[in-house]
Formats: sequence, C-alpha cells, structure tokens
Amino acid sequence: DIQMTQSPSTLSASVGDRVTITCRASQSISSWLAWYQQKPGKAPKLLIYKASSLESGVPSRFSGSGSGTEFTLTISSLQPDDFATYYCQQYNSYPITFGQGTRLEIK
Amino acid sequence: EVQLVESGGGLVKPGGSLRLSCAASGFTFSSYSMNWVRQAPGKGLEWVSSISSSSSYIYYADSVKGRFTISRDNAKNSLYLQMNSLRAEDTAVYYCARGNMDVWGKGTTVTVSS
Repeated sequence: DIQMTQSPSTLSASVGDRVTITCRASQSISSWLAWYQQKPGKAPKLLIYKASSLESGVPSRFSGSGSGTEFTLTISSLQPDDFATYYCQQYNSYPITFGQGTRLEIK
Repeated sequence: EVQLVESGGGLVKPGGSLRLSCAASGFTFSSYSMNWVRQAPGKGLEWVSSISSSSSYIYYADSVKGRFTISRDNAKNSLYLQMNSLRAEDTAVYYCARGNMDVWGKGTTVTVSS
C-alpha cells in the first residue's frame, strides 16, 4: 500500500498569511494526487486534482504542485473561510489512501 | 443539481448487518465509477470500496474485505454497501463519492455498539 504523510499535522496562521502543506508518498504516484478541504460536520470538498489542477469553483488562492513523491498545497492569502482540515489523497493505485490530515487553525 | 444522498445508517450490535444506500441525481450515474469513504469519530478519511461504472471492477480496503459488498443499480441511480459482521471499529460516518471524488454526499452515520 502507498502511505501518504502530511506535514505539519497542525498549522497556526493568520488571515492574509501564505501557507504551505506538504504531502509525501511512500512511492511514486506520478501526478495522481488530490487535495480536499473538510470543515467540522461536513463532507470533504475537492480542491485540487492531478496534483495541480484547480477544481471548478475553487478560489485561485489555492494551488497545488509536485509530482512523484512530494507534493504541496499552497494557500496564497488565507481567508477566514479557509480554516479547516486538509487531506491529500493518492489515486495512482488501489487501495486509495489519504494523508492523516493537516488542521489549519487561527493563530 | 448534482447530488448524492446516503441513507441506511444506524445503531447495530457487533456481528450485525446493515445496508447503506446512496441515491444519485443530476448527472448520468451509469457513466461514473463510485466510491465509499468513511470517517471514524475524530479521525481521518479512510477509503472503503470502489466500483466501476458497469460493475466490472470492484475494490475493497483490507479492513472490510470479505465483510462488505459494494454494488450498484444503474437503472435506479443507486449505489449500495452491504455491511456484514460489523465491528466496533466500523463505527463511522460513511460517505459516497462520485468518480474521482469530485462530488460527495453528506454522509450517514453507522454506530456499532452493544
């Protein structure tokens, strides 16, 4: 199975900050990586697919990069609505696996 | 409007069974693979199972293999998850998700407890 490791587990930041979350795969997954945002009590929301493609309707302050085993999600200027938990997910092969999540909290 | 609505969750005793359903609307259900993903209380996301558009390909997480069965009825625009031999560790919110997980339902809660 491909293990996905996110860092950091928790990130404290302020509105307007630029933040980056990293996701590492235990083996190459090419660009078959997605990023999700989840708020308490809600379903996950797809932000980025194929490592760097922005899902329709997602603000352009979100961006993704990387390939192979190392990936990043960047939020260019944090907005109040962005404080949530973020997950990476590989879909290169089954079983599909998620990172453990990064909780983005208000500093 | 593209929508997925899960149902069938509830409280069940260890060893019991439950059948989850996911009703799809607003898109051509028969053209998409479908997935079940779960989230235990306070924990992260765990992929459970996937089924291709014509049911030709089916995959399971090791944690549910042999106990859970995914199926679909394209004529009814519905996805199912038959869960048998339930354990306490199956307690979670179960989500259905379309294809590459671009659309999710709101989830249904399964609690396994005596």
